[in-house]
Amino acid sequence: RKEVEQDPGPFNVPEGATVAFNCTYSNSASQSFFWYRQDCRKEPKLLMSVYSSGNEDGRFTAQLNRASQYISLLIRDSKLSDSATYLCVVNNRAGSARQLTFGSGTQLTVLP
Amino acid sequence: NAGVTQTPKFRVLKTGQSMTLLCAQDMNHEYMYWYRQDPGMGLRLIHYSVGEGTTAKGEVPDGYNVSRLKKQNFLLGLESAAPSQTSVYFCASSDPDTRAKNIQYFGAGTRLSVL
Repeated sequence: RKEVEQDPGPFNVPEGATVAFNCTYSNSASQSFFWYRQDCRKEPKLLMSVYSSGNEDGRFTAQLNRASQYISLLIRDSKLSDSATYLCVVNNRAGSARQLTFGSGTQLTVLP
Repeated sequence: NAGVTQTPKFRVLKTGQSMTLLCAQDMNHEYMYWYRQDPGMGLRLIHYSVGEGTTAKGEVPDGYNVSRLKKQNFLLGLESAAPSQTSVYFCASSDPDTRAKNIQYFGAGTRLSVL
């Protein structure tokens, strides 16, 4: 079983739609959680951190359920520019470095 | 502010050849990382470094070596390239001493093909 699992998609949605991505992680000791965004043939970039109480950044809402080991990302009023792959990322504090474990990503295409 | 810079951006090797990928960061970050990204696999950690002169193995270290002689540079070496090492390689860095200590900043990647 992968440490971080995501539905690979692709998700094809019309502009203005609301879309939700889910992610599960296997290590109950995981401490930090993130969503990164990766555009086609580009590097991953931090989209937002995920906090236990849930957090919002504009049209993006992230939620964490530690009991179920489940993370979600909700995008409201989708824009064409939201088309990208969204990576669920977990920090397990393995070893002495801030090692991150990446999901394989969920691909989103927003259609005009 | 360049952030994290990787060179080269593209490279084609023949099986058995060697090469070194260079990563440079100008953010004075203590931690640096090398990942590879393959279709459907996500990013996998190859090696990492928690400071100048120190390196450690990640999830997939076989076939690679690294060096961190200067704080700002992290080199990834392939001694004898194999077709299985065809991938996109990303370098990243992070600062453990700030509130953003778990956030990693990535370079633009190196696309390597081994024939």
